[in-house]
Amino acid sequence: GAGVSQTPSNKVTEKGKYVELRCDPISGHTALYWYRQSLGQGPEFLIYFQGTGAADDSGLPNDRFFAVRPEGSVSTLKIQRTERGDSAVYLCASSQQGDTGELFFGEGSRLTVL
Amino acid sequence: QKEVEQDPGPLSVPEGAIVSLNCTYSNSAFQYFMWYRQYSRKGPELLMYTYSSGNKEDGRFTAQVDKSSKYISLFIRDSQPSDSATYLCASTGGSNYKLTFGKGTLLTVNP
Repeated sequence: GAGVSQTPSNKVTEKGKYVELRCDPISGHTALYWYRQSLGQGPEFLIYFQGTGAADDSGLPNDRFFAVRPEGSVSTLKIQRTERGDSAVYLCASSQQGDTGELFFGEGSRLTVL
Repeated sequence: QKEVEQDPGPLSVPEGAIVSLNCTYSNSAFQYFMWYRQYSRKGPELLMYTYSSGNKEDGRFTAQVDKSSKYISLFIRDSQPSDSATYLCASTGGSNYKLTFGKGTLLTVNP
């Protein structure tokens, strides 16, 4: 497909478990972003990758959250020791350049922590 | 106080109505202003993008920014049922990637 692809679309896990969420950006887009959208709220910035490196991870809420993009394309958001407050839709976006241009969002991964 | 405030609604209008959606912001460093549309269970998609103050029109949509009052508006003319969605305003300073979003306003256009 031509858009940003995120898997899984839904994930239900138990408190304390480890979770990985995957993002496959639009081909050729060098910049990739993760946002989190809680129920009834707008998306909140988590982390921005330019190529393989995290250019800005200031939005990650704590050290349980980590993201990688080892080959500059697919990215994985990793959440350790999940808590009920982590329940949200995790949105990935990509763009051609990091500091200009439109962000193209995926449909999100809906995480529910029981 | 959040940096971008938006009335979550919901807002319900008849087909053909003019819709006015509004946000306020508090960060004077914000220079770029966007409106995103988000359908249920989908990701946000960019509708309008404005730099600094002024108006921008695209078809039935008009975006306005008044930096003196820190007020952002989106007008939808001749609203259609397909416009039913959540509308999110967003702002940022020098870089496009670190967007600060409002809560979103849920709009329903009734046929």
